[in-house]
Amino acid sequence: EDKVVQSPLSLVVHEGDTVTLNCSYEVTNFRSLLWYKQEKKAPTFLFMLTSSGIEKKSGRLSSILDKKELSSILNITATQTGDSAIYLCAVVPDSNYQLIWGAGTKLIIKP
Amino acid sequence: ETGVTQSPTHLIKTRGQQVTLRCSSQSGHNTVSWYQQALGQGPQFIFQYYREEENGRGNFPPRFSGLQFPNYSSELNVNALELDDSALYLCASSLAVSGSGTQYFGPGTRLTVL
Repeated sequence: EDKVVQSPLSLVVHEGDTVTLNCSYEVTNFRSLLWYKQEKKAPTFLFMLTSSGIEKKSGRLSSILDKKELSSILNITATQTGDSAIYLCAVVPDSNYQLIWGAGTKLIIKP
Repeated sequence: ETGVTQSPTHLIKTRGQQVTLRCSSQSGHNTVSWYQQALGQGPQFIFQYYREEENGRGNFPPRFSGLQFPNYSSELNVNALELDDSALYLCASSLAVSGSGTQYFGPGTRLTVL
């Protein structure tokens, strides 16, 4: 059965720290991996990664996929309280476009 | 903002009632997926519509049904509401066969069943 596992489930750090969130997957016919940030309501799209291994960056956030390890990491440097959210990872199978979701990592940034 | 809209934003119903949630997809997107998200959990896939046809369904009973219109907007209908149906319902639009499968979410509808 296809599955996506995120770790840790929750994380508390102080402002200015760097965090690394993990997403591992067992999905047949992998197409792409997506990262989302969810605050109070709907998830907002962060990055799309493929097996090319190209790192994606946006400001203090970056992400890369390791196709050998079947995993991806999301890094946030110089964290701010506004980074507090649930970070969700989802995999898109090649057979259809129905996302397979991880349970998310709840990140809390303390001032 | 993604351009995906949902209505209503909040809804309170009682057990046994029926509810209809609505979603307008982002311009140019022809695929709509619906998710149920309980507190503290990741989204659970309900079903997906592509060009007005159901294109896959998750592990939800038949009392969850949907519809997609020619303009690609969509409805989610839930009959015989149960307490466990209380959740955030998310709609996401995408352009099928786009390569990445990236989905963009609306703000969600918070459903409370009493």
